[in-house]
Amino acid sequence: EAGVAQSPRYKIIEKRQSVAFWCNPISGHATLYWYQQILGQGPKLLIQFQNNGVVDDSQLPKDRFSAERLKGVDSTLKIQPAKLEDSAVYLCASSTFSGGRHSTDTQYFGPGTRLTVL
Amino acid sequence: AQSVTQPDIHITVSEGASLELRCNYSYGATPYLFWYVQSPGQGLQLLLKYFSGDTLVQGIKGFEAEFKRSQSSFNLRKPSVHWSDAAEYFCAVGTGFQKLVFGTGTRLLVSP
Repeated sequence: EAGVAQSPRYKIIEKRQSVAFWCNPISGHATLYWYQQILGQGPKLLIQFQNNGVVDDSQLPKDRFSAERLKGVDSTLKIQPAKLEDSAVYLCASSTFSGGRHSTDTQYFGPGTRLTVL
Repeated sequence: AQSVTQPDIHITVSEGASLELRCNYSYGATPYLFWYVQSPGQGLQLLLKYFSGDTLVQGIKGFEAEFKRSQSSFNLRKPSVHWSDAAEYFCAVGTGFQKLVFGTGTRLLVSP
């Protein structure tokens, strides 16, 4: 079974530029997550999709970050304009979770995109 | 608010020695608890998870963890560490609707 795919693996940009990341989840997984992992910290959830609807985007800096999941499969995360503090690894994860407060489903993570903002 | 504390930033263990990584959580209800491992340049891989029942949970790669409600802890253990276990380990608590809150991680170094 193919895992979660992400591209690019690495990206270097200047501050105030824009950047986009792509994620292809495991086939059949209803829920997709984007996490931000700053060096020395654990991953922090940015946004959670269930199919093509947003479940939680409370920690997404909406003035500069946007995400979409068209057709409930692939997803893109965009930053515009980027700031120095956006330098981090952006992880995508997916799971079979399809609702309900209590779930034992596992989140499967992709390899991440390492973003450096100069 | 839900939180996870991993008090050790780095731990060095000799190959073949035993390992224990500490994790303390703060959560109002019965927690769902997870341990993930992250090797350099890789995503996170689930080692084990606890939802209910037996408080000693077995995982992959010879790891186990014990849930202690009285101590709000979920420490990860391995009886004999291999050089390939060198990685960063993250403890996480599930806060409902499958959201995870992660700790800051513990980097494991394995010496020959």
